[in-house]
Amino acid sequence: KQEVTQIPAALSVPEGENLVLNCSFTDSAIYNLQWFRQDPGKGLTSLLLIQSSQREQTSGRLNASLDKSSGRSTLYIAASQPGDSATYLCAVREGTYKYIFGTGTRLKVLA
Amino acid sequence: GAVVSQHPSRVICKSGTSVKIECRSLDFQATTMFWYRQFPKKSLMLMATSNEGSKATYEQGVEKDKFLINHASLTLSTLTVTSAHPEDSSFYICSAGQGKNTDTQYFGPGTRLTVL
Repeated sequence: KQEVTQIPAALSVPEGENLVLNCSFTDSAIYNLQWFRQDPGKGLTSLLLIQSSQREQTSGRLNASLDKSSGRSTLYIAASQPGDSATYLCAVREGTYKYIFGTGTRLKVLA
Repeated sequence: GAVVSQHPSRVICKSGTSVKIECRSLDFQATTMFWYRQFPKKSLMLMATSNEGSKATYEQGVEKDKFLINHASLTLSTLTVTSAHPEDSSFYICSAGQGKNTDTQYFGPGTRLTVL
């Protein structure tokens, strides 16, 4: 059974810092991995999607890497801003459609 | 980009009543829609997958008779929580896959259900 874990569970950093969020999964037979952002009481916003054949994806200040063989992904946020404060979720897609979500990292960027 | 809406965004109901939540794909046809549940400070759990015109596929441990899912058209899926109880209080989020390609699932804004 696939399990997705995110470390740390919560993180508080001063504005401007570069930071790394970690995601690990137990079964490497995934179709793709996706990182989402969730603001309090809101739905999900997709940030980056990495196909199983890819190693990384970049969008602006965000960079996500994928090491399928070791079951790990990282989300790198450069020059963090208070507006980046949110919960970040990673999810792995299995089979034809099913996404298994991680436990999330609650990020707070202090001004 | 593709937009998925949910209605209502918040609902408060008395124990024993039924609540219907709608999920609509506004500018694309969604052959497949997904319903997730999120407990406070927890991650999302897939409840069921609904395909247009056919019965929903429920995940293990999800009561089919409790959570009725209907996907009557390519742009609308509904989740009905029947005889709701306080333990059903949660954040329900739907997502929709565009056409046959469900690589990208577009997520709705969620519905907060509170059962008194």
